[in-house]
Amino acid sequence: KAGVTQTPRYLIKTRGQQVTLSCSPISGHRSVSWYQQTPGQGLQFLFEYFSETQRNKGNFPGRFSGRQFSNSRSEMNVSTLELGDSALYLCASSLGPSQETQYFGPGTRLLVL
Amino acid sequence: ELKVEQNPLFLSMQEGKNYTIYCNYSTTSDRLYWYRQDPGKSLESLFVLLSNGAVKQEGRLMASLDTKARLSTLHITAAVHDLSATYFCAVDILESGGGADGLTFGKGTHLIIQP
Repeated sequence: KAGVTQTPRYLIKTRGQQVTLSCSPISGHRSVSWYQQTPGQGLQFLFEYFSETQRNKGNFPGRFSGRQFSNSRSEMNVSTLELGDSALYLCASSLGPSQETQYFGPGTRLLVL
Repeated sequence: ELKVEQNPLFLSMQEGKNYTIYCNYSTTSDRLYWYRQDPGKSLESLFVLLSNGAVKQEGRLMASLDTKARLSTLHITAAVHDLSATYFCAVDILESGGGADGLTFGKGTHLIIQP
């Protein structure tokens, strides 16, 4: 069974631009969560989607948004990029929102110049 | 606000030795997780602990949970170089509707095991 896939794996953008990251969950998984990992703040929860609905959102500004499609694939978008948005963005999938284990993808490493 | 604290944050140890990583959390949690992350890689799930007194073991790693003390430990027995990695604990709290509120992670313990 294929794992969680994320595209692109690496991305370089400049301040003020926007970016869209994609996540395909494990087949049959319907819940997708996004996390940001930085050296300073560590791993932080961004949001969670289930059945195309955002169930929870972490403490991030409105520039961070996401959506989920009917096939459970998810995208997250960051508008008006700031230097501090440079991070590893991890997507995790699980069977459902209350399921025990989240399986993480390889991540997208974003560098904002 | 749920807070998760791990200690130590950095640990250098020799092969063959035993050591324990500690994870404290601030409020009642429904589930506690341990993950491993190798440099430049994603997170690998190690253990999920669901109830007070839960103990799980895989190879040289053993995790336990004390919900009354709000403490989990990850014990390494007879460490080997391949266990060098960063280890994270994470907790979540189920909403009243049954969904999870996202994982709250500790800062991670960077473990180096030297021959």
